[in-house]
Amino acid sequence: DTGVSQDPRHKITKRGQNVTFRCDPISEHNRLYWYRQTLGQGPEFLTYFQNEAQLEKSRLLSDRFSAERPKGSFSTLEIQRTEQGDSAMYLCASSSTSGSLWEQFFGPGTRLTVL
Amino acid sequence: AQTVTQSQPEMSVQEAETVTLSCTYDTSESDYYLFWYKQPPSRQMILVIRQEAYKQQNATENRFSVNFQKAAKSFSLKISDSQLGDAAMYFCAYLNNNDMRFGAGTRLTVKP
Repeated sequence: DTGVSQDPRHKITKRGQNVTFRCDPISEHNRLYWYRQTLGQGPEFLTYFQNEAQLEKSRLLSDRFSAERPKGSFSTLEIQRTEQGDSAMYLCASSSTSGSLWEQFFGPGTRLTVL
Repeated sequence: AQTVTQSQPEMSVQEAETVTLSCTYDTSESDYYLFWYKQPPSRQMILVIRQEAYKQQNATENRFSVNFQKAAKSFSLKISDSQLGDAAMYFCAYLNNNDMRFGAGTRLTVKP
């Protein structure tokens, strides 16, 4: 399967714990996006990378959130000191600047539940 | 700020019939993209159809077509000959530069 993959698919944690999610984009894609989707809502943009550079961050991305893409391939999203309001589906998407920039391919998401 | 509004939280259609999902958006830009994405239960989001704002012709992909009214900032999706596999959440989305905004979604049920 050469699509976008995310790990883990589900994560249950206690309030105050740190969690880290991983996203592996389509191999030739140099752009990688993170979104958050709460129940009954559409995805909301969090941040995106072009290669290893983080080019834009939403105001939704509080200080407790940090994203990295150290080698321009996979990316990690870490949430520190989780809160119940962080419970959501975290989606990753990728695209290529050499192809159709508009076409973002989505992964299956990581569902986070904070108890 | 650009916003996307889907006024129909739920829609239902009989198998083989036609259904139209509504979407309106707000923007001051003249060049942008509009999309309809499908998100089946517990499965990843996939692109159904896209429309470039500079194109007047409405996009069509097999049974899926759009009615793009740029002046009215309206972008509806028509699904013809509905199939059971069309049941999903459908999200309307707007893209300008790297800013992708989604609507809240419409849950489509297909009745056999």
